[in-house]
Amino acid sequence: DAGVTQSPTHLIKTRGQQVTLRCSPKSGHDTVSWYQQALGQGPQFIFQYYEEEERQRGNFPDRFSGHQFPNYSSELNVNALLLGDSALYLCASSLGPGDYGYTFGSGTRLTVV
Amino acid sequence: AQRVTQPEKLLSVFKGAPVELKCNYSYSGSPELFWYVQYSRQRLQLLLRHISRESIKGFTADLNKGETSFHLKKPFAQEEDSAMYYCALSENSGYSTLTFGKGTMLLVSP
Repeated sequence: DAGVTQSPTHLIKTRGQQVTLRCSPKSGHDTVSWYQQALGQGPQFIFQYYEEEERQRGNFPDRFSGHQFPNYSSELNVNALLLGDSALYLCASSLGPGDYGYTFGSGTRLTVV
Repeated sequence: AQRVTQPEKLLSVFKGAPVELKCNYSYSGSPELFWYVQYSRQRLQLLLRHISRESIKGFTADLNKGETSFHLKKPFAQEEDSAMYYCALSENSGYSTLTFGKGTMLLVSP
């Protein structure tokens, strides 16, 4: 089992562009949570998906949106990129929205120039 | 809003010395507290959870509601303990969303 898989590992985008990040959860997990980790900071919760719906959302603008597919994989979309969106984006999967047994992915490093 | 504070960015100790990584939180309700660890070139992983009251890799943490603290302790540090440690809080709302501190880097020298 590869655990949580995120793609791509790195990408560079220009300010104003849009980006899509992808996450495949650990086998058997049905819930996906996304976190943003800026340099020198701890992870910050963006949102959580369960049963293809956004269940919880952190303090992030509407430019951040997501989706969960029937196979439990998930996408994070960010529109109108700002320089401040440069960060490591972490995906974590779990068994149900109340399960703290997160399995984290390695993250996608997004650089906005 | 909840907040987690880890006052030390870096903690450097010698092998065999006691370790205490500090974590303070602010939250009006009854939170769940966690410690996560990230070893070099590895993924973030759960170290321990206050509700389980386990000792993992020799680490323990006690929730002190009066002082709103959840410090991580180990009596004798090992070189393999060198890692980034994050304290995290959940509102205990039925959803496993976490608020993390900024983290403390622990360096254990031989």
